[in-house]
Amino acid sequence: DAKTTQPPSMDCAEGRAANLPCNHSTISGNEYVYWYRQIHSQGPQYIIHGLKNNETNEMASLIITEDRKSSTLILPHATLRDTAVYYCIVRVQGGKLIFGQGTELSVKP
Amino acid sequence: EPEVTQTPSHQVTQMGQEVILRCVPISNHLYFYWYRQILGQKVEFLVSFYNNEISEKSEIFDDQFSVERPDGSNFTLKIRSTKLEDSAMYFCASSGERHGELFFGEGSRLTVL
Repeated sequence: DAKTTQPPSMDCAEGRAANLPCNHSTISGNEYVYWYRQIHSQGPQYIIHGLKNNETNEMASLIITEDRKSSTLILPHATLRDTAVYYCIVRVQGGKLIFGQGTELSVKP
Repeated sequence: EPEVTQTPSHQVTQMGQEVILRCVPISNHLYFYWYRQILGQKVEFLVSFYNNEISEKSEIFDDQFSVERPDGSNFTLKIRSTKLEDSAMYFCASSGERHGELFFGEGSRLTVL
């Protein structure tokens, strides 16, 4: 599975958009980009995934660059409850999820 | 909303004892997983399970570990002879499709003394 690089931590003001970057320059054509988050040692929670098109759901938007070497997870209006570790994972279809260190997002009032 | 449930939420055991962690996956899911997270470290893959057999396992999943689906609902992880370094949070996950998202339980915290 391709390796991902994320900043170790980020801050965001409550109510503002949180933009979490992820580099996956070695991604191959059959690998998807998944985002999960983990709130305070709870079980990881699925957020969104995509292959090459931008995706949006009720939680977030995923923007994938045209060359697929990087992506950005956008939480449009961050709340205090969005404080968590966010994991960007590149996964072969049907393969296992391999978690990295993630980005620790702190949403501040 | 359907969810993955795990029991016990916390178990304390003596080194060398056997431990069984239990998981009830989401009812129509067919793919099952165990992960663990040592305190302060990242979430690590242990094993995946489909059609009553192991699909893939990591180096961590040695002969001391086993998984079983004893009936139509439970999915268990057994550690035969626990070591201090087995102390961790163990997460069960299930998926309805081979390439679908994984739904995780809240975890079972294992403390080995």
